[in-house]
Amino acid sequence: GQQVQQSPTSLVLQEGENAELQCNFSTSLNSMQWFYQRPGGSLISVFYNPSGTKQSGRLTSTTVIKERRSSLHISSSQITDSGTYLCAMEPGNMGYKLTFGTGTSLLVDP
Amino acid sequence: ETAVFQTPNYHVTQVGNEVSFNCKQTLGHDTMYWYKQDSKKLLKIMFSYNNKQLIVNETVPRRFSPQSSDKAHLNLRIKSVEPEDSAVYLCASSLPGLGGYEQYFGPGTRLTVL
Repeated sequence: GQQVQQSPTSLVLQEGENAELQCNFSTSLNSMQWFYQRPGGSLISVFYNPSGTKQSGRLTSTTVIKERRSSLHISSSQITDSGTYLCAMEPGNMGYKLTFGTGTSLLVDP
Repeated sequence: ETAVFQTPNYHVTQVGNEVSFNCKQTLGHDTMYWYKQDSKKLLKIMFSYNNKQLIVNETVPRRFSPQSSDKAHLNLRIKSVEPEDSAVYLCASSLPGLGGYEQYFGPGTRLTVL
């Protein structure tokens, strides 16, 4: 089965609204990352967050390893936040690879 | 500039041809990876190398062969491409270790097989 469950699949916001993206993992994990990707664009690391809470500007990531979940909060969304957000984990029993979720497609309307 | 570099940006070829993609990282990392992103945007690991040694080979068809000349370079050769090989191939690097380290990605090579 899918080791990384990401939700929601897609999300449409009005500019200025907040968003909460979720990832749940079916196995133990060593670490996880959040990535951002525009259509046809490269993968940009947003957060490397193996545990706890990290904040960068309007973005906040919280990972709870024991509960096998991570979230990405976007506050005061902007049109330029539109794109795909992917979470990925390094499985606890097998390093040297990332297992990705299926992504959340975010569209922020003016 | 320290980063992960990939060439070519894109490649169009016919079924049965051989293609090679190059990846170089200047981050001083020991571990490098190849991932495949399909038309549905799903990303999957193909290979991992640590200091030129193959660590992960994730059930990839035999026509795919990674090649590492040193820890800063990891190339990917596809011997006889098939239509299902059309995808974006992403190279990444990180520090080594099972403990989990941040991975840095290159811009990708988009392969189209006609």
